[in-house]
Amino acid sequence: SQQGEEDPQALSIQEGENATMNCSYKTSINNLQWYRQNSGRGLVHLILIRSNEREKHSGRLRVTLDTSKKSSSLLITASRAADTASYFCATDAGGTSYGKLTFGQGTILTVHP
Amino acid sequence: DGGITQSPKYLFRKEGQNVTLSCEQNLNHDAMYWYRQDPGQGLRLIYYSQIVNDFQKGDIAEGYSVSREKKESFPLTVTSAQKNPTAFYLCASSNGHYSNQPQHFGDGTRLSIL
Repeated sequence: SQQGEEDPQALSIQEGENATMNCSYKTSINNLQWYRQNSGRGLVHLILIRSNEREKHSGRLRVTLDTSKKSSSLLITASRAADTASYFCATDAGGTSYGKLTFGQGTILTVHP
Repeated sequence: DGGITQSPKYLFRKEGQNVTLSCEQNLNHDAMYWYRQDPGQGLRLIYYSQIVNDFQKGDIAEGYSVSREKKESFPLTVTSAQKNPTAFYLCASSNGHYSNQPQHFGDGTRLSIL
């Protein structure tokens, strides 16, 4: 089952603008992860945020997590054409199924030069 | 360089045929996973293994089989019972000894029906 639901499904912006993608989930989590997928390639891990964290930064990426609303957002600042890809959130419920991820449907980001 | 290697990159299956997708990792990870991705969709878990000689069904295991005889290898067989096998298959691994670990992915195998 797909726990994560991402919004928007597609996002088109100009280089230099910021891109924000949102992810909602249904059950409690141990952590939430964001991945990027270039067309026809495997997924690349971007950032992991634990359930007891509220915000995390990595370079131009900023991730927030609101466990009371069961939602997360990924912000890419000063976007570049090379950021064009699909972005997925994935949740790890922990417990006996720790390490097992449930992925959302993804957001397709297009950054125009 | 450490990583995950999937082969072949493209695979074609005839009706009634079983095909095997290879996944090898040299990251010394205990846990390995197989996902299926359909066009415009997220990933769905087929099988996963947290340790050698043990594996569990994921959300869509019907029509698939796996083995885990070596830590480095986790091959996936798409059997003739899988009626709609056309998809992009992704293998991943993670350090299963610790929680809060990311997964590392191979570059996938695209399977099509002849």
